[in-house]
Amino acid sequence: QVQLVQSGAEVRKPGASVKVSCKASGYTFNSYYLHWVRQAPGQGLEWMGIMDPTLRNATVGYAQKFQGRVNMTRDTSTSTVYMQLSSLKSEDTAVYYCARTRGSGRAYFDYWGQGTLVTVSS
Amino acid sequence: EIVLTQSPGTLSLSPGERATLSCRASQSVSSSYLAWYQQKPGQAPRLLIYGASSRATGIPDRFSGSGSGTDFTLSISRLEPEDFAVYFCLQYGSSLRTFGQGTKVEIK
Repeated sequence: QVQLVQSGAEVRKPGASVKVSCKASGYTFNSYYLHWVRQAPGQGLEWMGIMDPTLRNATVGYAQKFQGRVNMTRDTSTSTVYMQLSSLKSEDTAVYYCARTRGSGRAYFDYWGQGTLVTVSS
Repeated sequence: EIVLTQSPGTLSLSPGERATLSCRASQSVSSSYLAWYQQKPGQAPRLLIYGASSRATGIPDRFSGSGSGTDFTLSISRLEPEDFAVYFCLQYGSSLRTFGQGTKVEIK
């Protein structure tokens, strides 16, 4: 069955970076787009960006809010995508989810990872 | 950016009762590109409805979605114990996908 399995919880200090992984299984990795979505405590969900793994050079697109701070990469040999967020602030404390869509545009998330809690605290 | 407002924030009901959840958009959601998800503590969100009214694979028929334009509804005809959870909507008709803040359905 389709699974997106994320790495474990992380604690970072302000100004540091964090890298979260999402390992896909149960489907053809290059056939679906992968996104990152976050949810801060008591807040709603927020879309961060998309990776298109269908191309040889996987293209990415980021929400304007995260431009310059987020970097999404992939390792096709392990069907894993990564999201690195830098210059962390306390407001980045959130649960980070990966989720997939069939297309890049008007497509809904059909499967999600279990979430990774990132805590930013001095 | 399309803002989605869900109401009520919390719905207190008993098993067997009907639940009606609302998701209102700040502007029209093109072609009813609206989805509903269920989320339980510590679990990944689960897709229930897409295209405003189409049930995802394996979703019981007690879940139904309706609406168009700016007003959408998720209905649960008879609440089962496993249905008590948080539900949120997603619009995917614009380049920036946005979410509602969620409705918690709790046991009365």
